[in-house]
Parts: sequence; C-alpha cells; structure tokens
Amino acid sequence: GAVVSQHPSRVICKSGTSVKIECRSLDFQATTMFWYRQFPKQSLMLMATSNEGSKATYEQGVEKDKFLINHASLTLSTLTVTSAHPEDSSFYICSASFLTRATEAFFGQGTRLTVV
Amino acid sequence: AQSVAQPEDQVNVAEGNPLTVKCTYSVSGNPYLFWYVQYPNRGLQFLLKYITGDNLVKGSYGFEAEFNKSQTSFHLKKPSALVSDSALYFCAVRRGGNTGKLIFGQGTTLQVKP
Repeated sequence: GAVVSQHPSRVICKSGTSVKIECRSLDFQATTMFWYRQFPKQSLMLMATSNEGSKATYEQGVEKDKFLINHASLTLSTLTVTSAHPEDSSFYICSASFLTRATEAFFGQGTRLTVV
Repeated sequence: AQSVAQPEDQVNVAEGNPLTVKCTYSVSGNPYLFWYVQYPNRGLQFLLKYITGDNLVKGSYGFEAEFNKSQTSFHLKKPSALVSDSALYFCAVRRGGNTGKLIFGQGTTLQVKP
C-alpha cells in the first residue's frame, strides 16, 4: 500500500525559532499533498494544499508567511513553522494523494510540535 | 458548501456488542465518503470508502458502513466490538473529482469496555 512518512514525530523548540516538518511519499509520487493541524480532541483543520512545483493554496485564516510550505518534488513536501510561538503548539499531519488513486488520501503519522 | 457531522462526541459499547458511529454529510454532487481511525499521537488510518456502487461498504478490521443517499448518512458499523477498537473515528467527505480536499467531521471517540 501507499506509505507516507512524516518526520520528526515529535519536536520541542524555543519560542522565536523555526521548525521544519517533512512529509515524504515512500512508494508513490504524490501529485498533491495536504497539511492539517489538529488540536487536542478536535478534528483536523486543513491548512493548505500543495501541488508539486507550484505555490501552496492556503485556507482562509492561515498565515502563509508563518507556515511556509514547499513541494519541491513528487515525493517530498515540507512545512516550516517560522518564528514559532507557544500557540503554534499542535499536532500537524500531512496527507498525500496521486492521480491514479486520487480518491484516497494517505496520511503521515503526524508531528507533535511543542513550543516553549 | 461541504460539511460532515458526527453527532456523538463519544460512543460507549461493551466488548462483543455491535457498534455504530454516526455520520451525516452535506455536499453538492456525488459524494466520496471515507472513514478513518486515529490512535493517540498517530496519523489517520484508512478504514473504508464509498465512491459508487453497492451502498454497503466493507472495510478493514471488520468494519462496514452503509451509504444512505436519502438520509445523507454514512454510519460506521461493526457486528462485534473489540477493546482494541477504542480510538477516535473520523468521517470525511470529498466532492467527486481528483485531488479534491477532504472535509472531516469533528470525530467520535469510541470506548469499548471489557
């Protein structure tokens, strides 16, 4: 089956620093990747959609300068949280899909970000 | 606008009993419907999907779901619950078409007690 790997699974950083989260499709080429944010015991909130080689499309209310998304290749997308603050602490999850099985999304294992 | 509702925050069942986790949706056009399960501090695992065809869909781990167009529902069911089924369950909808984004329900915590 299609595997999506997200790294790191857990990160603690100091306030004001930047953190990069990677999302890789291991055995398929992901034409589209999605980034979600999840608060404790809540649903997933879509942050942005990225297509390989083009700029990400951000959802309303998501600061594109704060959450930088890069989808430089068909197997890798990155989310960089810039100048992180404690309120950015959350669980971030990526998902990926590809054209031949576009009806199904495959999820990474998530990244727990704690900003201290 | 697309939306998904899971009316129950939590469902409690005894091990061995049947379980149902409810989901209703609102979408224009033909819906693609999904169920995912999430264990603590983990990503989402795909359980099953409805795209077209038979209204009763069978998925992983003995779960099934029935698509009901008239009631716009897609309830998740299992004939006999296991303690290991305890987790957070999400229903999601995507408007038909490639790479459309998923809209998730708020999630339902399933607690199966021995």
